[in-house]
Amino acid sequence: QKEVEQDPGPLSVPEGAIVSLNCTYSNSAFQYFMWYRQYSRKGPELLMYTYSSGNKEDGRFTAQVDKSSKYISLFIRDSQPSDSATYLCAMSVDTGRRALTFGSGTRLQVQP
Amino acid sequence: ETGVTQTPRHLVMGMTNKKSLKCEQHLGHNAMYWYKQSAKKPLELMFVYSLEERVENNSVPSRFSPECPNSSHLFLHLHTLQPEDSALYLCASSQDLAGGSDTQYFGPGTRLTVL
Repeated sequence: QKEVEQDPGPLSVPEGAIVSLNCTYSNSAFQYFMWYRQYSRKGPELLMYTYSSGNKEDGRFTAQVDKSSKYISLFIRDSQPSDSATYLCAMSVDTGRRALTFGSGTRLQVQP
Repeated sequence: ETGVTQTPRHLVMGMTNKKSLKCEQHLGHNAMYWYKQSAKKPLELMFVYSLEERVENNSVPSRFSPECPNSSHLFLHLHTLQPEDSALYLCASSQDLAGGSDTQYFGPGTRLTVL
């Protein structure tokens, strides 16, 4: 079983739709949760960062963490064609771990 | 721009060639990382350096050899690679290694094709 599971997509939605991207994980020690966005031919860029459980909102983006279910989500409101990219979830434990564990990424296409 | 640059952006090499990938970060960070990204697979951590000292090596074959001459530069030396090594190689940096909250910033990657 992979440590982090993420549906690869592609996920195709019309412009203006609400997008829900999700990851599940198996390691209950994960405390820090991140979402990266990766455009074609570019490196990943940090989009959202959350510590422990709860919600975090930044403009059109909302990140949710449910540690009891080992499930994290990224919601995109009023999706735009410029949101078309691959979205990677990543997570790490509190201390002692020097790097991130990534999901395989979900490819999102927002149709104009 | 993320402040992390990588060269070359594309590289095609034969199995007997020797080449090097270069990464430079302009963020004043102390930690640098090499990742391998293959299609439909999670990013795989290869090497971690902190203050020019290698602190993690995730069972990477010896045909990949990292070098960190200073905290701003990181190299990945390649020799006698296999076709399955074809992938996007990403460099990242972070302020420090301490704790899980440290954000990593990625470069654009080098697309490597091994013939």
